[in-house]
Amino acid sequence: GAVVSQHPSWVICKSGTSVKIECRSLDFQATTMFWYRQFPKQSLMLMATSNEGSKATYEQGVEKDKFLINHASLTLSTLTVTSAHPEDSSFYICSASFPTQFFGPGTRLTVL
Amino acid sequence: GDSVTQMEGPVTLSEEAFLTINCTYTATGYPSLFWYVQYPGEGLQLLLKATKADDKGSNKGFEATYRKETTSFHLEKGSVQVSDSAVYFCALSSGGSNYKLTFGKGTLLTVNP
Repeated sequence: GAVVSQHPSWVICKSGTSVKIECRSLDFQATTMFWYRQFPKQSLMLMATSNEGSKATYEQGVEKDKFLINHASLTLSTLTVTSAHPEDSSFYICSASFPTQFFGPGTRLTVL
Repeated sequence: GDSVTQMEGPVTLSEEAFLTINCTYTATGYPSLFWYVQYPGEGLQLLLKATKADDKGSNKGFEATYRKETTSFHLEKGSVQVSDSAVYFCALSSGGSNYKLTFGKGTLLTVNP
């Protein structure tokens, strides 16, 4: 139990386009999901806390207009990277609370 | 604020060697403590956790004891295997298990046959 999936697992896009990443809790309902960003050989940086039915809470320094988060149901949260640029290339990981946080496998985004 | 200080890596061991990865923390109140493991190219998996002082978390031969007096949660394993090669993250949560996590920087472990 407590499985979290992410889709896609990897994506390559052109600079200026938008990319949507889905995070799903497969066998439980999660009122809270978290989005992290991980740079190579570094720790996870919390980007935002996503609560079902309400606006996400962003960490300091994270642009909310660039990283749009929607948590429309108890099993799905989405992160949209808008107008992506090469510096947005990273490994994005979501987690869902049950209540311990269970993590998705991550999405590798490469912006050309 | 909350912080986690983790042993700098990388750590390289031979198979069957003893492993210790040190982790100390700073937090208000009584946080929950976690060890997560990340295998190459994958997301994080919960390895073990402890929610109160003197609790011992254990899983797959790994153990860690919540030491409030030393604010530590060191990870240990008596005999490592090649398959244990991964990055290990110590983390804490101040607001119960449902609250956001504060991670250490991670320790890369490589086990050679």
